[in-house]
Amino acid sequence: QVQLVESGGGLVKPGGSLRLSCAASGFTFSDYYMTWIRQAPGKGLEWISYITSSGSTIYSADSVKGRFTISRDNAKNSLFLQMNSLRAEDTAVYYCARGPADFGDYDYWGQGTLVTVSS
Amino acid sequence: EIVLTQSPGTLSLSPGERATLSCRASQSVSSGFLAWYQQKPGQAPRLLIYGASSRATGIPDRFSGSGSGTDFTLTISRLEPEDFAVYYCQQYRSSPTFGPGTKVDIK
Repeated sequence: QVQLVESGGGLVKPGGSLRLSCAASGFTFSDYYMTWIRQAPGKGLEWISYITSSGSTIYSADSVKGRFTISRDNAKNSLFLQMNSLRAEDTAVYYCARGPADFGDYDYWGQGTLVTVSS
Repeated sequence: EIVLTQSPGTLSLSPGERATLSCRASQSVSSGFLAWYQQKPGQAPRLLIYGASSRATGIPDRFSGSGSGTDFTLTISRLEPEDFAVYYCQQYRSSPTFGPGTKVDIK
């Protein structure tokens, strides 16, 4: 069965950095686009960034452009999110999700990892 | 950026009742690139509907999606106890965006 397991979240000071990982299993990872989506406490969902199956193209939201970088290692079935210059408003649960699929949807999600940016 | 508006914000219903959730887009969402997700407290979202009207794998047939252009609807024909949750719509015409959610709670 498809599994996505995020790790790497935690408490970080404003201006700091963090690297999130997502371990994928149960499907051919290299065949799929992958995406990071976040959810601030008590708030809705915000798309952050996606990466194509080969890793050749990435696309990020304006809110994180220049600060966050998505990447992947298809040999290790892993997705990453390097987060730099973190701000208080980046505090959220970060989900990795498979997709976008053919209709732009995300068909499997990890359980999420919490990132807290606070001094 | 396409803005999605969901209504109502909260829907209070009893088990066995019909739920009708609305999602309106600020611009046309072409080719039905509209999805619906269910989220329960402390859990990740789960895909219910993709392509505006196709049920995802394992989703019961009491869930149905309809609509096109700028107006979309998620219908739950008869609410089961496990259906009380928050529901989000999401578009992918351009940069992906999500609606603010509709909470379906027990009356």
